[in-house]
Amino acid sequence: EDQVTQSPEALRLQEGESSSLNCSYTVSGLRGLFWYRQDPGKGPEFLFTLYSAGEEKEKERLKATLTKKESFLHITAPKPEDSATYLCAVHLYNTDKLIFGTGTRLQVFP
Amino acid sequence: NAGVTQTPKFRVLKTGQSMTLLCAQDMNHEYMYWYRQDPGMGLRLIHYSVGEGTTAKGEVPDGYNVSRLKKQNFLLGLESAAPSQTSVYFCASRDVGTRYGYTFGSGTRLTVV
Repeated sequence: EDQVTQSPEALRLQEGESSSLNCSYTVSGLRGLFWYRQDPGKGPEFLFTLYSAGEEKEKERLKATLTKKESFLHITAPKPEDSATYLCAVHLYNTDKLIFGTGTRLQVFP
Repeated sequence: NAGVTQTPKFRVLKTGQSMTLLCAQDMNHEYMYWYRQDPGMGLRLIHYSVGEGTTAKGEVPDGYNVSRLKKQNFLLGLESAAPSQTSVYFCASRDVGTRYGYTFGSGTRLTVV
């Protein structure tokens, strides 16, 4: 069964304390892996798409990487405004659907 | 502003009542989706559409119906609401390619009492 697992469920960081979020997947044919940010009361907001192992994407303090079994979202020197839930999702070949993980809730304290 | 618009934003229903959630997108996207989001469950696909006039079942379709009569609109119907359908519902759309991901609406918070 296709599955996406995110860890940790929740993460509390001090401002400036770098860390990584994990998204591991067991799927039959990965077409692409997506990272989204979701703020309370809002819909997910697109961050990155990764297609192949070894690929990396960066945006401000965020960097996403992909291997054959997992993806990491690295947060460098986070700020309080980075506080949000980060969602990972996989898009499979021969489907028109995304399979989402349950997310990591990140809180960054000043 | 371009994007995905969901109406209503909030709704309270009594068990057995019916309602329709409307999703409208102005990006000329072919694909549209309805998800529900519950604590600890993540986003789960209810129904989706790969083009005007088409619909397909997702992971949790029971108790819901959909229609895509116009390309820009995707309607989600609850014929007889149940407390188990209390959730936050998100509509999303995407273009033919996947490079830029899905664009989500801001959600509809539905409570069934």
